[in-house]
Amino acid sequence: DIQMTQSPSSLSASVGDRVTITCRASQSISSWLAWYQQRPGKAPKLLIYKASSLESGVPSRFSGSGSGTEFTLTISSLQPDDFATYYCQQYNSYSWTFGQGTKVEIK
Amino acid sequence: EVQLLESGGGLVQPGGSLRLSCAASGITFSSYAMSWVRQAPGKGLEWVSVISASGGSTYYADSVKGRFTVSRDNSKNTLDLQMNSLRAEDTAVYYCAKGKTASSSSPSDYWGQGTLVTVSS
Repeated sequence: DIQMTQSPSSLSASVGDRVTITCRASQSISSWLAWYQQRPGKAPKLLIYKASSLESGVPSRFSGSGSGTEFTLTISSLQPDDFATYYCQQYNSYSWTFGQGTKVEIK
Repeated sequence: EVQLLESGGGLVQPGGSLRLSCAASGITFSSYAMSWVRQAPGKGLEWVSVISASGGSTYYADSVKGRFTVSRDNSKNTLDLQMNSLRAEDTAVYYCAKGKTASSSSPSDYWGQGTLVTVSS
């Protein structure tokens, strides 16, 4: 199975900060990577798919990049609504895997 | 508006069975792959199973293979997950999620609110 490793596991940031989260795959997944946001007690929300495509309705401060085994999610200017946990997910193989999550907290 | 409503969760003893259902509305259900993803209390997301739009292809995580069976009824817009031989480690909130495409290999763009399954004696 393909393993997905996110870093950091958590981070503290202030409103207006630029935030970058990294996701590494144990083998190449081309661009078959998605990013989700999950707020406490809520279902995940799709932010980015195919590594860099912004899901409809998602603010443009979210962006994704990468291919192969290394990917990043960037929030250009952190907003109060963005304090949440973020997960990457590979869907290259018919055995999807998620990263362990990155919790973004208020500094 | 897309709505996915899970039902069927509850408390079950180890070794027991449970059947989860997901009722979809606001979409052409037969055009999209559907999946189940679970989240143990305080833990991260774990993919469980995916079924193609036609129902002809199904895939499972190793942790549930041979115990869980996913199925869909495109005439009723429903997705099911039959869970047998349940273990304590299956305790989680189970989410139903819609794929962006018909393919089993597409991310999930809509999610239900989840149903809690607790496996305990």
